[in-house]
Amino acid sequence: AQSVAQPEDQVNVAEGNPLTVKCTYSVSGNPYLFWYVQYPNRGLQFLLKYITGDNLVKGSYGFEAEFNKSQTSFHLKKPSALVSDSALYFCAVRPPNSGGYQKVTFGTGTKLQVIP
Amino acid sequence: SAVISQKPSRDICQRGTSLTIQCQVDSQVTMMFWYRQQPGQSLTLIATANQGSEATYESGFVIDKFPISRPNLTFSTLTVSNMSPEDSSIYLCSARQGGPTEAFFGQGTRLTVV
Repeated sequence: AQSVAQPEDQVNVAEGNPLTVKCTYSVSGNPYLFWYVQYPNRGLQFLLKYITGDNLVKGSYGFEAEFNKSQTSFHLKKPSALVSDSALYFCAVRPPNSGGYQKVTFGTGTKLQVIP
Repeated sequence: SAVISQKPSRDICQRGTSLTIQCQVDSQVTMMFWYRQQPGQSLTLIATANQGSEATYESGFVIDKFPISRPNLTFSTLTVSNMSPEDSSIYLCSARQGGPTEAFFGQGTRLTVV
């Protein structure tokens, strides 16, 4: 069975400082990994994904994430936080498509609060 | 990317009634899904909407309570039947293509059952 852990319910960071939102996963094989952001009263928006190749992936709004296979982690990072980055962030994992439907598992979410 | 329109955006319903939520995608997609989310919490998959056949339900969700239709590759509906206050939640439509693709989400339907 696959699982995703986001160990921090909330992360507080000062505006302009670097931010990290943590994610670890458990899945058989080489996973597909995703980060989504959810603003209040909105659906989820895709930020970035890791499928294969370079372990550092860059996404929307200046976010990036590093895939670490040995630590089974996929932490979300941004060099300089903005107040507008304050939102709920979800990590998600999906096993590679072996020809059939593969279920996505979402983490519990991390609320990011950027303090002016 | 795909744009997903979901309606209604919110509703307040009496217990014992049913509500149908519509999900329209601006392009043909391989897969469509319905999720439930309590505010500020994670997503729970209700079912996969299959085009031209019965939906595939996750454990704890049944067709009689959550009938789903998907008549074509761009549209799906979720009905919440015989509602009780425990059904109060946010319902999200999602879609993606096959392969290593990301999912896109509607803005959600906030349902309150009184």
